[in-house]
Amino acid sequence: SYVLTQPPSVSVAPGKTARITCGGNNIGSKSVHWHQQKAGQAPVLVIYNDSDRPSGIPERFSGSNSGNTATLTISRVEAGDEADYYCQVWDSRSDHDVFGTGTKVTVL
Amino acid sequence: EVQLVQSGAEVKKPGESLKISCKGSGYSFTTYWIAWVRQMPGKGLEWMGIIDPGDSDTRYSPSFQGQISISADKSMTTAYLQWTSLKTSDTAIYYCARRTSGKTYFDLWGRGTLVTVSS
Repeated sequence: SYVLTQPPSVSVAPGKTARITCGGNNIGSKSVHWHQQKAGQAPVLVIYNDSDRPSGIPERFSGSNSGNTATLTISRVEAGDEADYYCQVWDSRSDHDVFGTGTKVTVL
Repeated sequence: EVQLVQSGAEVKKPGESLKISCKGSGYSFTTYWIAWVRQMPGKGLEWMGIIDPGDSDTRYSPSFQGQISISADKSMTTAYLQWTSLKTSDTAIYYCARRTSGKTYFDLWGRGTLVTVSS
C-alpha cells in the first residue's frame, strides 16, 4: 500500500516560516491535500490539489509538490497555527485514500 | 449551513455491537462520498473506508475489511459505521468526512464521535 511519511515535529518562532514535508514514491504524480487539526478539534482542509487554498484559509498557507516530496509552507507563523498537520492523497492503484503520519507544529 | 453532524459519544463493553451515524445537511447528499476516519488516542488519522451514498458503492481499507461495515441511507442523508463485536482496541474518535465525486480531497469534516470500549 502507498505510504506517506512526515517528520513527527517541526518547531518555529512566531513570524518565521514553517515547512512541513510529505514523502511518498513519485508523489509528484498525485494530487496532495493538507489538513490541519488543532488540539481537541476535527481536521480542517487547508490546501488541496497541491497548492490551492479553500475559502477562508489565509494566504500564509501554501503548498508545492514535485518528485518524491510535497511541502506545506506556513509563512509568518502565528501562535494560532500550532496544530497537527496531515498530508493526504488518493491512491489510484488501490482506490483508497491515504493519510500521512502527521506533523506536530509547535510555535516557540 | 453545510455540515456533517455526528452522533454522540458511546461507551460500550467488549463484544457489544454499535452503529454510529453521520448526517449531512445543507448540500446534495448524493453528490459527495462519505469517508470514515479513525483516530486512536494520541495517534494520527487512519482512513477506514468510503461510501457513495447514491448507489452504496463502498471501499474498505485492508486494515479494516471484515471488522466494520459502512452503509448509507440517502433518504435520511445519513451514513453509518457499524461494528458487530467491539474490542477494547476500537477505542478512538471516529470522524466522517465528505469528498466530492470525482475529486480526491475531503473538504468537510464532522466533529467526531468518541467510542470508548471498556470492560
